[in-house]
Amino acid sequence: KNEVEQSPQNLTAQEGEFITINCSYSVGISALHWLQQHPGGGIVSLFMLSSGKKKHGRLIATINIQEKHSSLHITASHPRDSAVYICAVPRGTGNQFYFGTGTSLTVIP
Amino acid sequence: GAGVSQSPRYKVAKRGQDVALRCDPISGHVSLFWYQQALGQGPEFLTYFQNEAQLDKSGLPSDRFFAERPEGSVSTLKIQRTQQEDSAVYLCASSLVHSYEQYFGPGTRLTVT
Repeated sequence: KNEVEQSPQNLTAQEGEFITINCSYSVGISALHWLQQHPGGGIVSLFMLSSGKKKHGRLIATINIQEKHSSLHITASHPRDSAVYICAVPRGTGNQFYFGTGTSLTVIP
Repeated sequence: GAGVSQSPRYKVAKRGQDVALRCDPISGHVSLFWYQQALGQGPEFLTYFQNEAQLDKSGLPSDRFFAERPEGSVSTLKIQRTQQEDSAVYLCASSLVHSYEQYFGPGTRLTVT
């Protein structure tokens, strides 16, 4: 049983396309994270959000707590956006996470 | 200030060898986490420290895995008698206590041949 499900698993887009990655979770949460992982392993935190919407440059993250669903959108996608995007939600009372399996995005020039 | 650093970045070990992976957290971060990430999968929790205390080691897959953080700063993840299934990226993250904002290191890619 996966507490966090992401879709799609793999996504290929042409440069300039609008991209949406979805995350559904089954546990009660106080905040949800979107993470970006480039080849080589390093993970960068993109967003932490607990309600509504956040925007950072071309990236937009939304969350619907009632529906237990979050989306990550990338506008005007660029090849440098190619990475794995991971959704994570806190687990228990510690600072620990359930992670989704990630969405591998490839943006073709 | 520097972020979380890990060393080595890449490690190739022969089956049966012992390995030690190092994590330097952000200065002042009380909490430290180790994760294992198999190819094509999301990270899986291994263990968690608050200062030098290992508060949760429920994710360690076997007694061949051992982690320590003796002075509450640098942490070492040791894997004894490595097996092929140990091949993965090992990620370290740190955070302020009571914060859900974790800062990840670049990871150590371990390949066991």
